[in-house]
Amino acid sequence: KNEVEQSPQNLTAQEGEFITINCSYSVGISALHWLQQHPGGGIVSLFMLSSGKKKHGRLIATINIQEKHSSLHITASHPRDSAVYICAVRSNTGNQFYFGTGTSLTVIP
Amino acid sequence: EPEVTQTPSHQVTQMGQEVILRCVPISNHLYFYWYRQILGQKVEFLVSFYNNEISEKSEIFDDQFSVERPDGSNFTLKIRSTKLEDSAMYFCASSGRGLRFQAFFGQGTRLTVV
Repeated sequence: KNEVEQSPQNLTAQEGEFITINCSYSVGISALHWLQQHPGGGIVSLFMLSSGKKKHGRLIATINIQEKHSSLHITASHPRDSAVYICAVRSNTGNQFYFGTGTSLTVIP
Repeated sequence: EPEVTQTPSHQVTQMGQEVILRCVPISNHLYFYWYRQILGQKVEFLVSFYNNEISEKSEIFDDQFSVERPDGSNFTLKIRSTKLEDSAMYFCASSGRGLRFQAFFGQGTRLTVV
């Protein structure tokens, strides 16, 4: 079973497009993370959310706790945004993380 | 900006050998984690560590695995007798006090078992 589901799995966009990646989860959480993984494999933490909305530059993350859903938006996408974006949730019953399978984003110039 | 560092970046080992993967978490963090990602698959939780003991572990984390914080700065993952299926990218992460603190990830160690 997948505690975290992401969509779409793959996404190709033209430079400048507005991008949305969705994440749904089925477990109780204390926090949700959006992570970015570049082709070399390293993981960067973009956001941690427990409610509402956060913005950092061209990235916006929102979470709806009642609906168990989060979205990551990228405005004015750029080729350097090309990466795998991973949604991960931290269980509220312990110290475990559950990961989505990732969304592979390619932004074409 | 503080960061989690992992060494080595790539390790090749023979099946049956012991390996130790090393991580230096962010200095004032209290919670430590190991994850792995088999090539082409999603990231999987292995273990979390707090107050010098394991607080959670997944079913992947069997008797072949152990973790240690030997000197107050390093956080290590040991695999006693490696198998081919242990080949993966291993990530370390750390977070501060409380469940609501952001976790910071290292760049990973790519382990190849031959």
